[in-house]
Amino acid sequence: DAGVTQSPTHLIKTRGQQVTLRCSPKSGHDTVSWYQQALGQGPQFIFQYYEEEERQRGNFPDRFSGHQFPNYSSELNVNALLLGDSALYLCASSLFSTRASVGEQYFGPGTRLTVT
Amino acid sequence: GDSVTQMEGPVTLSEEAFLTINCTYTATGYPSLFWYVQYPGEGLQLLLKATKADDKGSNKGFEATYRKETTSFHLEKGSVQVSDSAVYFCAAYSGAGSYQLTFGKGTKLSVIP
Repeated sequence: DAGVTQSPTHLIKTRGQQVTLRCSPKSGHDTVSWYQQALGQGPQFIFQYYEEEERQRGNFPDRFSGHQFPNYSSELNVNALLLGDSALYLCASSLFSTRASVGEQYFGPGTRLTVT
Repeated sequence: GDSVTQMEGPVTLSEEAFLTINCTYTATGYPSLFWYVQYPGEGLQLLLKATKADDKGSNKGFEATYRKETTSFHLEKGSVQVSDSAVYFCAAYSGAGSYQLTFGKGTKLSVIP
């Protein structure tokens, strides 16, 4: 059973550039969430996608956008990169409306983004 | 909004010592509570969970009990091993229109032989 996969593993970009990160959810999951984890901090919620729509958004600027595809995979796009966007970006998948696993999210290994 | 407060680290213990990592939460209603573990260079792994008051989550020798009266979910293990060295995150999920996990800042545990 394949878990959550993310690509690429590492990425180095320059300030002002744009970046796209990709995520494939765990088999059978239909919901994808994205988190930003700065060094030494807990993950911060960016947004969640379900049925190809953004269902909830955290306190992140519009430079952060996303997409979910019909096969449930997802992309995170960040425009006009700032030095402060350097972080580990985590994708998490879950199954919507399952009482037994309410809130349970499975995380991928993350993409380490460095902005110089 | 929800918030989770964890005991500040780092924590250094000798092998076979008893571990407690404190976690308290503030949330609307009664959230589900989780402990996640992050090993060096890896993503987060779900360690255990509890979905209602007085529930005890357990896994790999770790335990945590959902205490509504004290809004706490402390992580414990009776005898730690070197392989338990990692960063531990407490998290809350309120549901009811809020679909995000809210995390604490994490507690780094180092276990020395």
